[in-house]
Amino acid sequence: DQQVKQNSPSLSVQEGRISILNCDYTNSMFDYFLWYKKYPAEGPTFLISISSIKDKNEDGRFTVFLNKSAKHLSLHIVPSQPGDSAVYFCAASSTLGGGSEKLVFGKGTKLTVNP
Amino acid sequence: DTAVSQTPKYLVTQMGNDKSIKCEQNLGHDTMYWYKQDSKKFLKIMFSYNNKELIINETVPNRFSPKSPDKAHLNLHINSLELGDSAVYFCASSQPLTSGKGAEAFFGQGTRLTVV
Repeated sequence: DQQVKQNSPSLSVQEGRISILNCDYTNSMFDYFLWYKKYPAEGPTFLISISSIKDKNEDGRFTVFLNKSAKHLSLHIVPSQPGDSAVYFCAASSTLGGGSEKLVFGKGTKLTVNP
Repeated sequence: DTAVSQTPKYLVTQMGNDKSIKCEQNLGHDTMYWYKQDSKKFLKIMFSYNNKELIINETVPNRFSPKSPDKAHLNLHINSLELGDSAVYFCASSQPLTSGKGAEAFFGQGTRLTVV
């Protein structure tokens, strides 16, 4: 029962172009969404987040878009750089309490940015 | 000056053994977690502690016993290790997700456990 889905296991883009990573969720209780980046043999590192009261959050080259009605979010990286090559995890949480202190992760998308 | 540190980074052990993984965070966070990344690369929560109190136990076998001596430490002890326990285990910390302070969890580097 995957509540957070990243249907593309991999994505390859050219340096300087836009990378778009997608994520879908099924649980209507989720109200906070995050993207993590992971290099091999390292732990995930937080990249950017968005609350369900917003539809867009931007931080430098990274922008996350949230479409609540479609239960869909996406991460845009522009321009993409070779150092962005990593596995990107989408995660979701419910901040409503009641023992919801956990992040639910997607399976990840491996992004390769080619020079 | 690592924010979340866990040891060891690699652990190879035989079936039936008991082993522990240690985790410490210096971020002043109230909540700590153990996540497991299995061979299919799913990253799933195992336990969550808030101020030393267990708040989430995600149907993990009772061979796994977390212990939080204080809010900066959350150790994971595993009894009678099985082949299926082989995975990467990540410790993480954050402020409580319900605190309104953001849900960004900071992760340790992971412990790759191999049971042979």
